[in-house]
Parts: sequence; C-alpha cells; structure tokens
Amino acid sequence: GAGVSQTPSNKVTEKGKYVELRCDPISGHTALYWYRQSLGQGPEFLIYFQGTGAADDSGLPNDRFFAVRPEGSVSTLKIQRTERGDSAVYLCASSLRARDRVIRSTGQPQHFGDGTRLSIL
Amino acid sequence: DQQVKQNSPSLSVQEGRISILNCDYTNSMFDYFLWYKKYPAEGPTFLISISSIKDKNEDGRFTVFLNKSAKHLSLHIVPSQPGDSAVYFCAASDRGSRLTFGEGTQLTVNP
Repeated sequence: GAGVSQTPSNKVTEKGKYVELRCDPISGHTALYWYRQSLGQGPEFLIYFQGTGAADDSGLPNDRFFAVRPEGSVSTLKIQRTERGDSAVYLCASSLRARDRVIRSTGQPQHFGDGTRLSIL
Repeated sequence: DQQVKQNSPSLSVQEGRISILNCDYTNSMFDYFLWYKKYPAEGPTFLISISSIKDKNEDGRFTVFLNKSAKHLSLHIVPSQPGDSAVYFCAASDRGSRLTFGEGTQLTVNP
C-alpha cells in the first residue's frame, strides 16, 4: 500500500521477554518517527531518524529501548526485558524530510501507521 | 509538564452545525501546529496544519485559527458530518521534528 505499514498489528508477550516492532515508511520519505500512545493520552515522542541516523532519541524512556534504521527505509523498535508498563500502542510515522534545526524551514506533516498494540502480561 | 493541552475531553454537535475544537500551548518556541483525526484501531490521520507566520489556514470544511498572543489554536469544522466523529488531536513542533500532542477531544456528530 501507499501508507506507513507497521507489523505486527498486535503483540502479546510475557514480562521479561524481548520484542521487535517493525515500521515500513511511505516510499521516498526520508524522516521516520516512533511514538508511544497510552490509553486516554496523546502520542508521546520516542525517537526520530533522518536517513539512517537517529537525529533525536531523547524520548526513549530508558536503555531497554533501542531503534535502528540501517538502510534508511524500514525501522525496527526493539524493547529488551519488557515490563508491564511498556504496554501501549506504538506508532510509527514518516515525512518527506525532517525540519532543519538551523534554517527556519516549513514543517512537514507526519503520516502515521495504524500502530502495534503491545501487551505485556 | 503538559505543553499542549486540550481541555475538553469530549464535544457533541448536531449534524450540519459548526464544531469548534480548542487547544492551548505553553511553549513559545512552537512554530508549526497540526490537527490529526483518529478513528479507533487506526493511526492518526493528518487533517490540516498552520505555520506561526499565519493566523488562519483553510482546507474545505476545515479551518484552523492561530492566536499566538494567547497561545491558542482552534479547529473549525463546517458543516459537521456524522463521519467526522472521531478523536481529534492537536500537535505542535518547534525547530526540531518531534511533535508534542495534546490529550485529544472526542467529537461526536449526531445525525
């Protein structure tokens, strides 16, 4: 399809396990973002990539969370030693490019996938 | 510290009337604002955006107004339709690319 694709759509696992969540951005989009949404809240920023590099990972809650984007397209969010508090919907978004921090550039809308619902038992 | 706030968790409107959704922010560095619509079990869908150099942007039935001095933006939907029933999120960014979202407002448009 033409939109952002996330797999799996649902993931149920036990506390302490390792999980990987995958995101396929819109073709041609160089910027990719991960957010996490808890029930009744808006999405919260985790990390974003411009190309292959993580440009801002300040939203990752701790060192159990890690994300990669080795070829500048598909990204994987990895969570080690999962905890019950990690249960949430993990959303991925992409945009044509990221905003330039130095030059006051026009923002680009981010387009979201349908998310992965992660449940830690 | 909630930098983007949507103080109304829900709003109910009759079909054909205007829906007005409100959003307040505290960070004066925010210069790009967006509205998203979200249906259950789907990701947020981009609706409309506005740069801080403007005070109004219109796209069909959707208009976003920005009042920088009050740090307030609103989304107007005219006329409202039952298919507009969804959760609406406002979001903002500064010179970086991360978006900061509000908590969302559930809009219900009654036939």
